[in-house]
Amino acid sequence: KQEVTQIPAALSVPEGENLVLNCSFTDSAIYNLQWFRQDPGKGLTSLLLIQSSQREQTSGRLNASLDKSSGRSTLYIAASQPGDSATYLCAVRMDSSYKLIFGSGTRLLVRP
Amino acid sequence: DAMVIQNPRYQVTQFGKPVTLSCSQTLNHNVMYWYQQKSSQAPKLLFHYYDKDFNNEADTPDNFQSRRPNTSFCFLDIRSPGLGDAAMYLCATSRPGLGQETQYFGPGTRLLVL
Repeated sequence: KQEVTQIPAALSVPEGENLVLNCSFTDSAIYNLQWFRQDPGKGLTSLLLIQSSQREQTSGRLNASLDKSSGRSTLYIAASQPGDSATYLCAVRMDSSYKLIFGSGTRLLVRP
Repeated sequence: DAMVIQNPRYQVTQFGKPVTLSCSQTLNHNVMYWYQQKSSQAPKLLFHYYDKDFNNEADTPDNFQSRRPNTSFCFLDIRSPGLGDAAMYLCATSRPGLGQETQYFGPGTRLLVL
C-alpha cells in the first residue's frame, strides 16, 4: 500500500530565503507525482507535475525533482515571498490507477 | 474563468438530513473525482467517474453516493450525514492519456453538520 510522507509538517522562514520541501513515497511504481498549493479554506492549485520518466520540472521560482528509485521528491522555492505562505501537498498517481495519494502537507509561513 | 465550480461553498446541515453537493466543469474533462479533506489532513478520494463509469473506493462509506448526469456535472449525495462527515469536499477533473494528467480542483464545499 502506497504511503506518502511530507517532512517537515510546518516550516517558518524569513522572506528571501531559498527553501526545500520534501516528499517521500514507499512504492516506486508511480505514474507521476504532482505538487499542489492549498491556501486556508480553499481548494488545491496544481504547481508542477513530474512524469515518472522525468527528473525535474520548473515553473518560475519553483523547481520540483523526482528520484523514483529512492522514493523521493523535493520542491525547491527560490527567493521566498510572504505570498508563498500556504500548505504544500505532494501526491502520487500509481501506474494502476487514476487515483492520487496525498501526503499530509507542509505548512509554510514566509515572514516579511 | 472558473474551470471547476463547486456549489455551495458552505453548507450547513442537520444530523441525518440528506445533503447534495454539486460540481461543474468547463474543461470537458472525462474524469471527475470527489475527495474528502478533514482539518489538517490529506485529501482522501471517495470515488471517481471515468466517463460514465463509476469507481468507488473500497473504504468509502455507503452513506456517500454520486451521480454524473452528463460530462459537465457531478453530484455528491450524503444520505444521512453524521458529525464525522463534517469536512471540506473537493471536486477535481482530469483528462488522462491526452496530455491532461494534471488534476484541476474546485474551491471546495465546506460541510458543517449540526
